Amino acid sequence: DAGVIQSPRHEVTEMGQEVTLRCKPISGHDYLFWYRQTMMRGLELLIYFNNNVPIDDSGMPEDRFSAKMPNASFSTLKIQPSEPRDSAVYFCASRRTGGYNEQFFGPGTRLTVL
Amino acid sequence: SQQGEEDPQALSIQEGENATMNCSYKTSINNLQWYRQNSGRGLVHLILIRSNEREKHSGRLRVTLDTSKKSSSLLITASRAADTASYFCATARIIQGAQKLVFGQGTRLTINP
Repeated sequence: DAGVIQSPRHEVTEMGQEVTLRCKPISGHDYLFWYRQTMMRGLELLIYFNNNVPIDDSGMPEDRFSAKMPNASFSTLKIQPSEPRDSAVYFCASRRTGGYNEQFFGPGTRLTVL
Repeated sequence: SQQGEEDPQALSIQEGENATMNCSYKTSINNLQWYRQNSGRGLVHLILIRSNEREKHSGRLRVTLDTSKKSSSLLITASRAADTASYFCATARIIQGAQKLVFGQGTRLTINP
């Protein structure tokens, strides 16, 4: 069974450009989480979805960030316009209701904004 | 803000020795989880301990939880070079009916051969 899939694995872009990160959760998982990891701030929860509906977006840093989940197998995190301080590793994770409550993480997207 | 604070921030030991990492938190929790992150990879769940449990074992891992002190520890026995990684505690709280995890800053563990 495939794990959480993220693309691209690396993204280098220039300030002001739009960046779209993609995630495919594990089949059957009804929760999807987007995290950002930096040396300074550690791992931060940005937003999470339940059954494709955004539940808590209080971690989204500002209006430049948006996330969607059009169906159970796909989610995007968009930054527009991007800034150098957005450089980080972005992780997607998923889990299913009940069960063991563990979250399964994707390999991450390393974003560099020049 | 970070809920969990790991201690130490970095730990270097010889292969075969035991490694102990600690985590402190501030508010009441539903459960506490430990994750491992190898360099350049995503986090991998190791073990979960519920708020009404005091100790849990999984292979070479032993986790304790003291809710009165709001602290947890992760012990890795008979360490191996492959255990070299960063270890994170994550506290789980139920907010609006759903579990939300808050991660600490992590402990970077190095096992020297």
